[in-house]
Amino acid sequence: KAGVTQTPRYLIKTRGQQVTLSCSPISGHRSVSWYQQTPGQGLQFLFEYFSETQRNKGNFPGRFSGRQFSNSRSEMNVSTLELGDSALYLCASSLARTQQFFGPGTRLTVL
Amino acid sequence: AQSVTQLGSHVSVSEGALVLLRCNYSSSVPPYLFWYVQYPNQGLQLLLKYTTGATLVKGINGFEAEFKKSETSFHLTKPSAHMSDAAEYFCAVSVRRTGNQFYFGTGTSLTVIP
Repeated sequence: KAGVTQTPRYLIKTRGQQVTLSCSPISGHRSVSWYQQTPGQGLQFLFEYFSETQRNKGNFPGRFSGRQFSNSRSEMNVSTLELGDSALYLCASSLARTQQFFGPGTRLTVL
Repeated sequence: AQSVTQLGSHVSVSEGALVLLRCNYSSSVPPYLFWYVQYPNQGLQLLLKYTTGATLVKGINGFEAEFKKSETSFHLTKPSAHMSDAAEYFCAVSVRRTGNQFYFGTGTSLTVIP
């Protein structure tokens, strides 16, 4: 089985712009979670989608949003980018709470 | 509320020495516990997990961890460190509520000294 894929792998944006990141989960996995990873903060949970519905949400401002499509692929969007949004964004898919499988991440740099 | 605490953001060991990375958790219900490893510019890879059954679990690359309910701990060990073990390690807990929410510690960076 193919693993979790994320595109693009690297992005450079400027403040005020918006960005969309994509995640394709492992085939058959319906749960997709997104995390923001920054030095010193570790992995912070953004949200989880299951069958096209947001099931859990972390403590992030409304500029961070996501969605999931019927084929379980997920996108997250960040509007009005700030310098502090520079991070590695990780996507993970799972069948159940016994394991999450992570993608390689998208490195976002905001200038 | 669930949380994970990793004691020591940086740990250095000599090659061949014991590796011990500490993890404590808090959970109001029986948790599932995980250790992940992250190499530079990569995603997280599962090292091992505890779900039910035997409290001593063995993972990949010679790592193991023991679930101690009385101490709410899940420390990661490896008898003999190898240079290739240098990486970031994350402890995580999973609790079923209305979804598959995973809670991660802030990570421990392991340096192996030759």
